[in-house]
Amino acid sequence: DSGVTQTPKHLITATGQRVTLRCSPRSGDLSVYWYQQSLDQGLQFLIQYYNGEERAKGNILERFSAQQFPDLHSELNLSSLELGDSALYFCASSLTGTDYGYTFGSGTRLTVV
Amino acid sequence: DQQVKQNSPSLSVQEGRISILNCDYTNSMFDYFLWYKKYPAEGPTFLISISSIKDKNEDGRFTVFLNKSAKHLSLHIVPSQPGDSAVYFCAAKGSGNTGKLIFGQGTTLQVKP
Repeated sequence: DSGVTQTPKHLITATGQRVTLRCSPRSGDLSVYWYQQSLDQGLQFLIQYYNGEERAKGNILERFSAQQFPDLHSELNLSSLELGDSALYFCASSLTGTDYGYTFGSGTRLTVV
Repeated sequence: DQQVKQNSPSLSVQEGRISILNCDYTNSMFDYFLWYKKYPAEGPTFLISISSIKDKNEDGRFTVFLNKSAKHLSLHIVPSQPGDSAVYFCAAKGSGNTGKLIFGQGTTLQVKP
């Protein structure tokens, strides 16, 4: 157990729907990152939050949004889902907003049918 | 634009021999380089890193080499063990007030007993 908790582990939904992925960071960590791993692809950075504020943004689609709550957990909202959104979504956390050896959760596998 | 590339999707080595995983990058502004290891159904775990001002970093059986002029880094595992079988991701961090990482596509290492 890495200490980073992601729920749900698996999600199957239809095109056009909206889903919410949840991440609880490791205790004491203030920063949360979201990454997407599509089939045979590396991890693509989506967004980073630090202590509730957006710190950095990657190639995140406009249909996707995220936030970090006062208790530091984070949610990634994916809407108007398309088949191509099927992927593994990883959350990671770190103590500060600039350290790089951060801890990943085990991911949420999203399948859009 | 793939700023971090791992051109070998897979590598197979015999137990006890050396495993060499390679990674190329294009952005000379990266200031840290990292290797993550990923087992199936788990999130990536941080393995080893190297600062851009160094050319070698060693941690037990794992050594990372950085050749800045060639924009190339490599991970050496000696001796390789069956438990090292996993997907290895190379990643790079730019300077700035973020821990955002750019990942390569990954190399699947199989260590045969």
